[in-house]
Amino acid sequence: SQQGEEDPQALSIQEGENATMNCSYKTSINNLQWYRQNSGRGLVHLILIRSNEREKHSGRLRVTLDTSKKSSSLLITASRAADTASYFCATVTPKAGGTSYGKLTFGQGTILTVHP
Amino acid sequence: EPEVTQTPSHQVTQMGQEVILRCVPISNHLYFYWYRQILGQKVEFLVSFYNNEISEKSEIFDDQFSVERPDGSNFTLKIRSTKLEDSAMYFCASRGTQGSNQPQHFGDGTRLSIL
Repeated sequence: SQQGEEDPQALSIQEGENATMNCSYKTSINNLQWYRQNSGRGLVHLILIRSNEREKHSGRLRVTLDTSKKSSSLLITASRAADTASYFCATVTPKAGGTSYGKLTFGQGTILTVHP
Repeated sequence: EPEVTQTPSHQVTQMGQEVILRCVPISNHLYFYWYRQILGQKVEFLVSFYNNEISEKSEIFDDQFSVERPDGSNFTLKIRSTKLEDSAMYFCASRGTQGSNQPQHFGDGTRLSIL
């Protein structure tokens, strides 16, 4: 598999339920970021977790990072119809012998549909 | 809140023509990026730009592509001779100066359609 693989590819839930999306990656990282993309729009940054962090919260979002398993999860609690979007994880990897300029490597994304 | 703006939102061009995609990054940001997303595929990195030069580029970013920051505000991506496979959404992003542990801010993209 490639760097930044999310699963599931699609997730359909009812409003009020929690949504969990997972991401796996292959190489060492500086950080892992989650982005949301509404249909036809740009990417909106949700949360960044550094390689030395294990968990981070932002509002209804909770992100975990397990560097030993090279995996991360994004939990959206009490989902709303407005959370319907594609969610992508993206990694920044250290550059051997040089400066990382922050290039993001994206996964395929999870399409989340929240039904009212 | 400051945002990254991209123009045009949709560009239709004949194969073989040159196209310039424009971006205005967030004003105090110093790192700039172009990404593309072919329909139904993942977002792919094209190029990063810092201190008035390319800092990193992908295999996609061949001699047909170039970037420029012609003034203090604009950041452009030029494709010299477009191919059908260049059809995609092109996203510009910028980042602040506090190291790579800072998020990138994306524009809404330009949809490029090559006929």
